Amino acid sequence: DIQMTQSPSSLSASVGDRVTITCRASQGISNHLAWYQQKPGKVPKLLISAASTLHSGVPSRFSASGSGTDFTLTISSLQPEDVATYYCQKYNSAPYTFGQGTKLEIK
Amino acid sequence: EVQLVESGGGLVHPGESLRLSCAASGFTFNTYGMTWVRRAPGKGLEWVSSIVAGGVSTFYADSVKGRFTVSRDNSKNTLSLQMNSLRVEDTALYYCAKYLARGSIYDYWGRGTLVTVSS
Repeated sequence: DIQMTQSPSSLSASVGDRVTITCRASQGISNHLAWYQQKPGKVPKLLISAASTLHSGVPSRFSASGSGTDFTLTISSLQPEDVATYYCQKYNSAPYTFGQGTKLEIK
Repeated sequence: EVQLVESGGGLVHPGESLRLSCAASGFTFNTYGMTWVRRAPGKGLEWVSSIVAGGVSTFYADSVKGRFTVSRDNSKNTLSLQMNSLRVEDTALYYCAKYLARGSIYDYWGRGTLVTVSS
């Protein structure tokens, strides 16, 4: 099965910083990658599908790119409400594995 | 408004069974795939199982294959997860979620139902 590895596992940054999270697939998955945000005590929220397509209602400070095995999620200017754990997920074929998550905090 | 409401969680002993349900409303249930995702205490999200719109194809994580069975009743807009031979490591908050479209991407999630397996 394809493994999904995110880095870093945790991250602390200041408000206004540019933040980048990476996700690597152990085999190529084309652009079949989604990103989710889960705030503490809340339900996961879809941010990105097809590796780079922003989901409806997601702020434009979020962007993503990648194809094949290497993917990135970028927050252009970190806001306090972005404190959350971020997950990538492959969906080219089952199992639809999530990455282990990246916990983002404000410095 | 899309709503997904899970039920059926609880405290059970190892080896016992539970059946989770997810009541769906606000969308044409029989045209969307559905999925179960869980989050164990202190851990990340783990995909558990998915079922396509018509119910003819189902998919499972290796960790639950042979023990869990996903099903749906399109006449009642209900998704179910029959969980047998439960293990301590199955303890988690179980979410049901709706496919965005054809791919196994999840745009709406329920609030989850807690399953605790403990002796």
